Amino acid sequence: KQEVTQIPAALSVPEGENLVLNCSFTDSAIYNLQWFRQDPGKGLTSLLLIQSSQREQTSGRLNASLDKSSGRSTLYIAASQPGDSATYLCALLRSGAGSYQLTFGKGTKLSVIP
Amino acid sequence: DAGITQSPRHKVTETGTPVTLRCHQTENHRYMYWYRQDPGHGLRLIHYSYGVKDTDKGEVSDGYSVSRSKTEDFLLTLESATSSQTSVYFCAIRAGAIQETQYFGPGTRLLVL
Repeated sequence: KQEVTQIPAALSVPEGENLVLNCSFTDSAIYNLQWFRQDPGKGLTSLLLIQSSQREQTSGRLNASLDKSSGRSTLYIAASQPGDSATYLCALLRSGAGSYQLTFGKGTKLSVIP
Repeated sequence: DAGITQSPRHKVTETGTPVTLRCHQTENHRYMYWYRQDPGHGLRLIHYSYGVKDTDKGEVSDGYSVSRSKTEDFLLTLESATSSQTSVYFCAIRAGAIQETQYFGPGTRLLVL
């Protein structure tokens, strides 16, 4: 069974700092990996999606990397802002999963202090 | 929000009563999903649907049933609510023109007393 771990569970940084969120997984047979953002009391919003054949994806100040061999992904946030405060979740789609079922980590709660 | 709505948004009920949550989408997507989110557990799949009348179980399906009689509606029923089913329930659809992903509804907060 695929296990997805996100460390740390919570992180507090001053505004302007660059930061890295980590996601590790046990089964390297994945189709893709996604990073989501969840604001308090809200649903999830997809930030970045990396196909298994890719190494990284970038969107604005966000960069996500994928290393299947080591079972790790990182989400890099540059020049953090208070508006980045949210919970960030990574999710994996298993290879051959025709139903497109995602396995989620428990998330990292990020607080950016002005 | 990919045209996904959930109703009700908040509900308080008593142990032993049946509860039905509704997920409605406006864009004719084939796949729909129900998740629950709990502290310490993250998001876990309850049931999903891959078409009208086509459903399957997820990781935590015990105590839940689903129905999909129309493409746009996916109903989640707690047959006899228990306190352990107090949670936030999210509906999602599978979509994406270039890269498929899941789009989530705003969630339903359910408290079972």
